[in-house]
Amino acid sequence: DTGVSQDPRHKITKRGQNVTFRCDPISEHNRLYWYRQTLGQGPEFLTYFQNEAQLEKSRLLSDRFSAERPKGSFSTLEIQRTEQGDSAMYLCASSFSFRNEQFFGPGTRLTVL
Amino acid sequence: GESVGLHLPTLSVQEGDNSIINCAYSNSASDYFIWYKQESGKGPQFIIDIRSNMDKRQGQRVTVLLNKTVKHLSLQIAATQPGDSAVYFCAENMEGGSYIPTFGRGTSLIVHP
Repeated sequence: DTGVSQDPRHKITKRGQNVTFRCDPISEHNRLYWYRQTLGQGPEFLTYFQNEAQLEKSRLLSDRFSAERPKGSFSTLEIQRTEQGDSAMYLCASSFSFRNEQFFGPGTRLTVL
Repeated sequence: GESVGLHLPTLSVQEGDNSIINCAYSNSASDYFIWYKQESGKGPQFIIDIRSNMDKRQGQRVTVLLNKTVKHLSLQIAATQPGDSAVYFCAENMEGGSYIPTFGRGTSLIVHP
């Protein structure tokens, strides 16, 4: 399967703990996006990378959130000191920089108890 | 028929019927629009897109109509199949930028065999 993959698929954590998610994009794609999706809503943009550079961050991305893409391939999204409001599906997508079409991964569902 | 539920508008149809899913977008400067399909437990999947210089575009069993005057999009699915059951999102964007789409709320399509 050469699509976008995300790991883990599910994460349950206690409030205050740190969590890290990984996204492996389609290998030829140089853009990588992170979104958050809550039940019944469309995905909300968090941040995106072009190669290893983080080019834009949403105001939704508080100081507790950090994302990296160190070698321009896979990316990690870390949430520090998780809160119950962080419970959501975290989606990753990738694309070519010259194309609008984004390919989404299956998401990581985070539950904060 | 179509109804607005607590979380998502829902459209219930019989297999073989045609389905029409509607979407109102907010930004009059948006010039690129995308429809995504999201099945349970999966990330959104690109279905069809349309640029603002067009008012209709057809794909395989799907047609997107764009009315810029009233900022309205629709997705028509011909001969709806049970496999079409999913949540459908429209997204708006501006080409030439960072290609970050703004997603609408979503409509749940339920196809009864």
